[in-house]
Amino acid sequence: EAGVTQSPTHLIKTRGQQATLRCSPISGHTSVYWYQQALGLGLQFLLWYDEGEERNRGNFPPRFSGRQFPNYSSELNVNALELEDSALYLCASSLEGRGLGPEAFFGQGTRLTVV
Amino acid sequence: GENVEQHPSTLSVQEGDSAVIKCTYSDSASNYFPWYKQELGKRPQLIIDIRSNVGEKKDQRIAVTLNKTAKHFSLHITETQPEDSAVYFCAARDSGGTSYGKLTFGQGTILTVHP
Repeated sequence: EAGVTQSPTHLIKTRGQQATLRCSPISGHTSVYWYQQALGLGLQFLLWYDEGEERNRGNFPPRFSGRQFPNYSSELNVNALELEDSALYLCASSLEGRGLGPEAFFGQGTRLTVV
Repeated sequence: GENVEQHPSTLSVQEGDSAVIKCTYSDSASNYFPWYKQELGKRPQLIIDIRSNVGEKKDQRIAVTLNKTAKHFSLHITETQPEDSAVYFCAARDSGGTSYGKLTFGQGTILTVHP
């Protein structure tokens, strides 16, 4: 079974630039969750998309945004990058509307480095 | 919203010993409590979970206990092996309100099993 795929695996950007991260869910999963994992910290919830709609949002500034496409893949955009945005960004997918449960599956993540 | 506290932040044991990691949560509406293992450079993987209508669940060398009244749950690993060395995260999922669907994670425990 193909898992959640994220691209790119690594991304280096300059402060002030924009970053775009992509996620493809497991086939049959319609919900996509984005989490930020800064070094030495736990996973912080960013965004939840289901059926193309934003269902929930974490305590992050508006420059963190995203969308979900008709094929359920998702994109996370981070505008006006700051040094503290450097982190591992994880995407997880799950079945429609149930929230992250036992069928949830995390991707390998995108390591974003802001210099 | 939900707040999950996890202790200890680091845990060092000898091979064959038991390891216990404890978490507390704040929202009594939370009804699903998974534990994830994250090896260095890899994605978080679900190792065991428990729902609010169950007090204990066991899977080979790992077990989880839940005390709904006290709002805490624990991970128990018996007969630890060097390959158990990783970062372990607890999480709680809210059943409603603004936190619906998302998992709130603890800060993680770095477990080191010495041969």
